[in-house]
This record gives sequence, C-alpha cells and structure tokens, in this order.
Amino acid sequence: GENVGLHLPTLSVQEGDNSIINCAYSNSASDYFIWYKQESGKGPQFIIDIRSNMDKRQGQRVTVLLNKTVKHLSLQIAATQPGDSAVYFCADQIRGGSEKLVFGKGTKLTVNP
Amino acid sequence: SQTIHQWPATLVQPVGSPLSLECTVEGTSNPNLYWYRQAAGRGLQLLFYSIGIDQISSEVPQNLSASRPQDRQFILSSKKLLLSDSGFYLCAWSGASLYEQYFGPGTRLTVT
Repeated sequence: GENVGLHLPTLSVQEGDNSIINCAYSNSASDYFIWYKQESGKGPQFIIDIRSNMDKRQGQRVTVLLNKTVKHLSLQIAATQPGDSAVYFCADQIRGGSEKLVFGKGTKLTVNP
Repeated sequence: SQTIHQWPATLVQPVGSPLSLECTVEGTSNPNLYWYRQAAGRGLQLLFYSIGIDQISSEVPQNLSASRPQDRQFILSSKKLLLSDSGFYLCAWSGASLYEQYFGPGTRLTVT
C-alpha cells in the first residue's frame, strides 16, 4: 500500500480564503516530498517540493510545511481561486531508495465563488 | 524545454483485445520513465519504471507489460485486456538527478 496518506478526501473553501491540505506519512526514512495538482481529465502538475532537511518552502501563493516529528506534510494555498479547484496529491520518496515516488490518495479541493 | 506526449488520448477496447499505449519525451536524454494507472477517484498506482533502455521494473503483477525500445520512448502493452484494466494511464519522466516527475496528458482506457 501507499506510504503516504491524506487526512481528508474533500475540502471546500470560499474564494479568497486560504486552503490547507494535509498529508501524513509513516516512514521516517522518507527524504523528499512533493505536491501535485490534478485537474479533471489531465495529468498531475508539479506544484512544489521539499526535502527532509527543510521545514518550510514557499512558492507563488503556495507554502509547504514539513513536520518530521509527527510525520506530517501540509500544502497551504493563499487567496484560493476557482482555478485552484482540483485534486491535490502528496508523494514521497525514501532516502536510499529507488527513483520511485509513492503517492497518497488525493484531496479534492472545491473553491466556491 | 522538455515535453511529454501520450497517445491515444482516449481508447475503447473490447475484453480480450490487445493494447499498446505510447509515451515519448522530448528535450531531454536518458530520462527515467514511469507508467501509472489511476482508477476513477483514486490515487496513482505505479505500474512500471525504467532507468534506461531495456531496464524496466514491474511494480505489480498484472497482464500488462512495458518496453523501452528507444531512450525517450516508453510503451505499455497487453496481449489480452481485462475489464479491470480500465482506467486513466499516465506516463511520467524524471531526470537522472532530479526527484520530481513530470506527467503526460494521460490516456483514458475503457475496456468493454
């Protein structure tokens, strides 16, 4: 089974609000984490990644937070827009492992106007 | 810049028929290549990955196979499709020194 799982399968927010999507992982050897956005009928798009030697990384309107103590990863989207509606996947890769990413099941984000 | 192509975009095939899905990458050399399957409303299941020509690892037992006849070409095949093979098939690539994977547009396969 997947090494990475998600807390909630769906999330609904109002346009302009901040969104927080959570992810839990179980393997302390996980070294690299990545978030993808998948719009309906399309392939996943890379959003942002973070290595285990970091706690936080910021991109354009997105921030990824990593809490290694509780093995928790989150994606924060600022000022959520209707175009942010999609399924968001987290994935991880294990230190010293292969070139494989292990994906969680995904959270569907719906942005209400 | 790098681009990844998949075709066909959609496919409807009867049970027992063969399958061939193709994926090609442009703008890079010696990529790692991946095939995933995604059932409706579900996550991504890794089927195969390849770190080089004729170097293919299978992740799950199934009636699918993969081949890499050229450096930037990855093919997913089946001799006889099952109903359970229906799904959204995604090809992805990554660089040899990069962790992030970049996905193609996907192929929607319906087995009837």
